[in-house]
Amino acid sequence: AQSVTQPDIHITVSEGASLELRCNYSYGATPYLFWYVQSPGQGLQLLLKYFSGDTLVQGIKGFEAEFKRSQSSFNLRKPSVHWSDAAEYFCAVGLYNQGGKLIFGQGTELSVKP
Amino acid sequence: DVKVTQSSRYLVKRTGEKVFLECVQDMDHENMFWYRQDPGLGLRLIYFSYDVKMKEKGDIPEGYSVSREKKERFSLILESASTNQTSMYLCASSFGVRTEAFFGQGTRLTVV
Repeated sequence: AQSVTQPDIHITVSEGASLELRCNYSYGATPYLFWYVQSPGQGLQLLLKYFSGDTLVQGIKGFEAEFKRSQSSFNLRKPSVHWSDAAEYFCAVGLYNQGGKLIFGQGTELSVKP
Repeated sequence: DVKVTQSSRYLVKRTGEKVFLECVQDMDHENMFWYRQDPGLGLRLIYFSYDVKMKEKGDIPEGYSVSREKKERFSLILESASTNQTSMYLCASSFGVRTEAFFGQGTRLTVV
């Protein structure tokens, strides 16, 4: 069965430090992958997406993610975290052979220390 | 800009009531989704619709049904609300395969 795993439920980093949020997926075909962010009381906003081509993708707010097929991973990174990045982050996989159904991970809550 | 609108931000209902959550999108999207969001569980797919009157069960359809009579509107129905359905409900839409989904603001439902 298809699934998405975000191993870290909660991460705390200091402002200015680098960040990496992990995402692993299980899907028998080539996936298309997303990272979304949810600020408190808000809906989900797309950070970036991977469909094909270059495995390093750039997104909004200075985020990037790298697709590694051999590891079934799509980790999100940011070189220097800002206090406004505190939010919940969700990884998702799109199932192209199931009409575009989207499956999400459990989410990672990011706290930023001053 | 794509707009996905959920009819209520907050809703309080009594156990046993029939509850309707409405979602409307304005971009002629083919796909629409209903998710339930609970702490530590992420977003779990309840139902998915890929065309008018077409629907597919997600991971947790029990206790829910859906209706999509028009392309722009996707309704989630709780046939007989129970306290374990207290949650945040998120609606989303997308053009189809290989496209991102756009989300509404969510409806926080409390069943008492």
